[in-house]
Amino acid sequence: GAVVSQHPSRVICKSGTSVKIECRSLDFQATTMFWYRQFPKKSLMLMATSNEGSKATYEQGVEKDKFLINHASLTLSTLTVTSAHPEDSSFYICSATARGGGALNEQYFGPGTRLTVT
Amino acid sequence: GNSVTQMEGPVTLSEEAFLTINCTYTATGYPSLFWYVQYPGEGLQLLLKATKADDKGSNKGFEATYRKETTSFHLEKGSVQVSDSAVYFCALMGTGGFKTIFGAGTRLFVKA
Repeated sequence: GAVVSQHPSRVICKSGTSVKIECRSLDFQATTMFWYRQFPKKSLMLMATSNEGSKATYEQGVEKDKFLINHASLTLSTLTVTSAHPEDSSFYICSATARGGGALNEQYFGPGTRLTVT
Repeated sequence: GNSVTQMEGPVTLSEEAFLTINCTYTATGYPSLFWYVQYPGEGLQLLLKATKADDKGSNKGFEATYRKETTSFHLEKGSVQVSDSAVYFCALMGTGGFKTIFGAGTRLFVKA
């Protein structure tokens, strides 16, 4: 099946620094990737949708200057948390949809990245 | 707009008990419906899906039937195991786009 990886799986950073999280589709081309944030014992909150080669579309209330998303290729999207603060600590999950074919309606999720800002 | 409502947890069952987790949705058109499972410390895994009315999705003993008349997609399993302990998310993907809407999640604990 389609596999999506995320790197790193865990990261601890100091307040004020920036952190980059990578999301890769390993065996398929992902026309669209999504970034979610999951708070403890809560559901997933969609942050943004990114299409390869174009600017990401952010959900209402998500600061685009704080959460920079780049989808430079059909297999890689990155989320950069700039000037991180403790309230940015969370579990970040990406997902991807495949180009064409029977899997058109299905999202494949990465394993998530736990960010802790101290 | 589209929305998903699922029963609040946590749900605690003994091994081999019958499981039902209710899920209802609001959507225009004909969305696709999904159940995802999240094991402790891991990301989401697709458990099963149904793309049209009356479809039954099934996997690992879990089943859910897409009921358009009641706008429901309840998850069932006849005999749960301790290893089924996880958080289960009902979700829908609307027609015309890939944005997925998730329910709040239901935490399941299965006791030996």
